[in-house]
Amino acid sequence: GENVEQHPSTLSVQEGDSAVIKCTYSDSASNYFPWYKQELGKGPQLIIDIRSNVGEKKDQRIAVTLNKTAKHFSLHITETQPEDSAVYFCAASSYSGGYQKVTFGTGTKLQVIP
Amino acid sequence: EAQVTQNPRYLITVTGKKLTVTCSQNMNHEYMSWYRQDPGLGLRQIYYSMNVEVTDKGDVPEGYKVSRKEKRNFPLILESPSPNQTSLYFCASSFSAGDLTDTQYFGPGTRLTVL
Repeated sequence: GENVEQHPSTLSVQEGDSAVIKCTYSDSASNYFPWYKQELGKGPQLIIDIRSNVGEKKDQRIAVTLNKTAKHFSLHITETQPEDSAVYFCAASSYSGGYQKVTFGTGTKLQVIP
Repeated sequence: EAQVTQNPRYLITVTGKKLTVTCSQNMNHEYMSWYRQDPGLGLRQIYYSMNVEVTDKGDVPEGYKVSRKEKRNFPLILESPSPNQTSLYFCASSFSAGDLTDTQYFGPGTRLTVL
């Protein structure tokens, strides 16, 4: 089955700096890569995603890049703000057994220091 | 408001005492799923349901049961809880399970402690 590794597990940055979270996956059949943000006391919420036929996608201060050859993808947050502090999960999805199975990474706790 | 609700939000129980965590969604979603979240392990799928009366095991189904008698509800049942089931549990739903980009909506989580 799919295995998703995520690094780092914790990340502290100064407000205004950039943050980068990296993930690797093992299954070359994975074709969709969502990123989730989990704020304290809440469930994960989708913030950005990318399909396997796209190399990069940007939404305001958030961008995701995908390297299919190397099987890795990354989340980039620019001009970080205190409200960006949360746990971030990457995920890889592939069609298996009649449905899109989503495998999550282990999470990155991001702390933005004011 | 479109949402996934879970109850209870917090539960402390003892080994062997049967419990049920309820999950309900008001978005008419076909697909529902249960995950557990543990430090260093991320989110792991317990069970999922493609539609009413259709359920299947995820990656960590041992010790859990589910049922899907109605489209909106997907309860998680622990027949005989053990301490290794102490975890944070999330219910999620999406419109379908076959679409590549169907967004999963997560509930607020249930923190379970089994003593």
